[in-house]
Amino acid sequence: QKEVEQDPGPLSVPEGAIVSLNCTYSNSAFQYFMWYRQYSRKGPELLMYTYSSGNKEDGRFTAQVDKSSKYISLFIRDSQPSDSATYLCAMSEVDTNAGKSTFGDGTTLTVKP
Amino acid sequence: KAGVTQTPRYLIKTRGQQVTLSCSPISGHRSVSWYQQTPGQGLQFLFEYFSETQRNKGNFPGRFSGRQFSNSRSEMNVSTLELGDSALYLCASTRGSDNSPLHFGNGTRLTVT
Repeated sequence: QKEVEQDPGPLSVPEGAIVSLNCTYSNSAFQYFMWYRQYSRKGPELLMYTYSSGNKEDGRFTAQVDKSSKYISLFIRDSQPSDSATYLCAMSEVDTNAGKSTFGDGTTLTVKP
Repeated sequence: KAGVTQTPRYLIKTRGQQVTLSCSPISGHRSVSWYQQTPGQGLQFLFEYFSETQRNKGNFPGRFSGRQFSNSRSEMNVSTLELGDSALYLCASTRGSDNSPLHFGNGTRLTVT
């Protein structure tokens, strides 16, 4: 079983919809949680970075961490066609730093105009 | 501030050959990590270098090696290439002294024929 499991998708939504992307994990040592967006033929781009449980908001994006359930989510409000990409969750332990992050397999999102 | 730069963007090699990939981190970042991305396995951690020393290592065979120079630039080498080594190789950098998240380059697409 993988340490990080991500809802596989693909996900297709109409423009303006609220999108929910989710990951679960099994390693209790994970303390730092990231969401990346990857466009085709590009490297992953950092969207959100959180530590410990709680919510963090940045514009249309909200990251949510529930360490008791080992569950993290990324919400995208008012989704746009430009949000169409693959979204990757990532996690790291305090002892190893983010250099050795563990990634989910990604969820491909398509936002239709 | 310039981002992470990887060269070359594309490479085609033959089985049995070796290849060297190059990465220049964000200015001020002392940690460089390498990841392999394939459709079947997702993003897999290869190794991390910090201050010219390998700090973390993933579960890849010894054919995969790396090094880091005093200016934090890093190279990754793969010897005796196999067809299964075809992948997108991503380099990422962080400050390395705290748990700041990874910032990725756009990768080198390696095709082994």
